[in-house]
Amino acid sequence: EIVLTQSPGTLSLSPGERATLSCRASQSFSASLAWYQQKPGQAPRLLIYDPSNRATGVPARFSGSASGTDFTLTISSLEPEDFAVYYCQHGRTFGQGTKVDIK
Amino acid sequence: EVQLVESGGGLVQPGGSLRLSCAASGFPFDDYAMHWVRQVPGKGLEWVSGLSWNSGIIDYADSVKGRFTISRDNAKNALYLQMNNLRPADMARYFCAKGTTSLFGVFDIWGQGTMLTVS
Repeated sequence: EIVLTQSPGTLSLSPGERATLSCRASQSFSASLAWYQQKPGQAPRLLIYDPSNRATGVPARFSGSASGTDFTLTISSLEPEDFAVYYCQHGRTFGQGTKVDIK
Repeated sequence: EVQLVESGGGLVQPGGSLRLSCAASGFPFDDYAMHWVRQVPGKGLEWVSGLSWNSGIIDYADSVKGRFTISRDNAKNALYLQMNNLRPADMARYFCAKGTTSLFGVFDIWGQGTMLTVS
């Protein structure tokens, strides 16, 4: 079974800064990888899938990319509402999450 | 409005049983796979179980296999999770999530979840 390893565990940044989140898969696969955002007390929200398509209503500052088994979620300029936990997912597997908090 | 609403959570003793429900609206329920995903408070997401649009393909996480049963009623736009022989490790918030036309893909719609306490 594929293992997804996210890094870093926590990313401390200021509004306006660029955030780069990593998700590394234990083996290559051809199907989709997705990214989700979760805020405290809320359900996860689909952000990015396949691995660079934005879900409906997701701002253009969010982008996804892939290189082999390495996947990246980039937030070009952090807005206050972007401070949250982000998960990658493939099939039945989720990464352990990266928390983006305010520096 | 596309919506998933879970219900049925609560407090149960170890070894007990509970059935969760998820009511779907705003999309053609019988076209899509559906899933349950759980989250221990303060921890990450764990996929629990999923089934295809016609229940022809069903899958479970190893941690719940043999104890949980997923089912759906397409006529009622409803998803269920029957949980038996519950353990303290099953205590979590359970989310219902809409999948794609194949069993595994992205989870594009989520409910707000229902909390299960095993104590």
